[in-house]
Amino acid sequence: GDSVTQMEGPVTLSEEAFLTINCTYTATGYPSLFWYVQYPGEGLQLLLKATKADDKGSNKGFEATYRKETTSFHLEKGSVQVSDSAVYFCALSETISNTGKLIFGQGTTLQVKP
Amino acid sequence: NAGVTQTPKFRVLKTGQSMTLLCAQDMNHEYMYWYRQDPGMGLRLIHYSVGEGTTAKGEVPDGYNVSRLKKQNFLLGLESAAPSQTSVYFCASSYLGRRSTDEQFFGPGTRLTVL
Repeated sequence: GDSVTQMEGPVTLSEEAFLTINCTYTATGYPSLFWYVQYPGEGLQLLLKATKADDKGSNKGFEATYRKETTSFHLEKGSVQVSDSAVYFCALSETISNTGKLIFGQGTTLQVKP
Repeated sequence: NAGVTQTPKFRVLKTGQSMTLLCAQDMNHEYMYWYRQDPGMGLRLIHYSVGEGTTAKGEVPDGYNVSRLKKQNFLLGLESAAPSQTSVYFCASSYLGRRSTDEQFFGPGTRLTVL
């Protein structure tokens, strides 16, 4: 079945460092890909998404490109801030069932130190 | 708009007790979902609904029941709680889930501990 694999955390960076969180997927069909962010004590919020190959999603300085040839959707940010400390989830939409179900990776905790 | 709300926020149960978690959305969304979040395992789908009066099983449905009597509400029930059901529960909704591009909107979560 469909699956998503993220790099294990926690990831600890200093403020203004470059961020990469790796995400690879296995899927039948052509899923949409998502990055969700979960701040402490809150629910998940959509950070960005891409719906087809070579699409780039971007929001709040974060970017990710849908790479079909490498089945990847890595999250990047050029200069992280303390306020970016959160858990980041990569997800794909299951295409077979037509129910909008999402398959999530295990999540990567990011801690940014001043 | 309140978005997606969940009650209660926290609950402690003893093994064998029952409870119902309530999810409500005011966005007129058709599709609703219940997930559980456990450390190192991401979110796993328990049950979902594609419209009022319909429900279906997700990845980890055992020990849970759901009902969608009104479009805006999705209830998750635990008939006889077990320690393995200690988790954080999230409800989500989406407008037309059959489109894979549709974003899901999440509630703030319910932290459940079963002793």
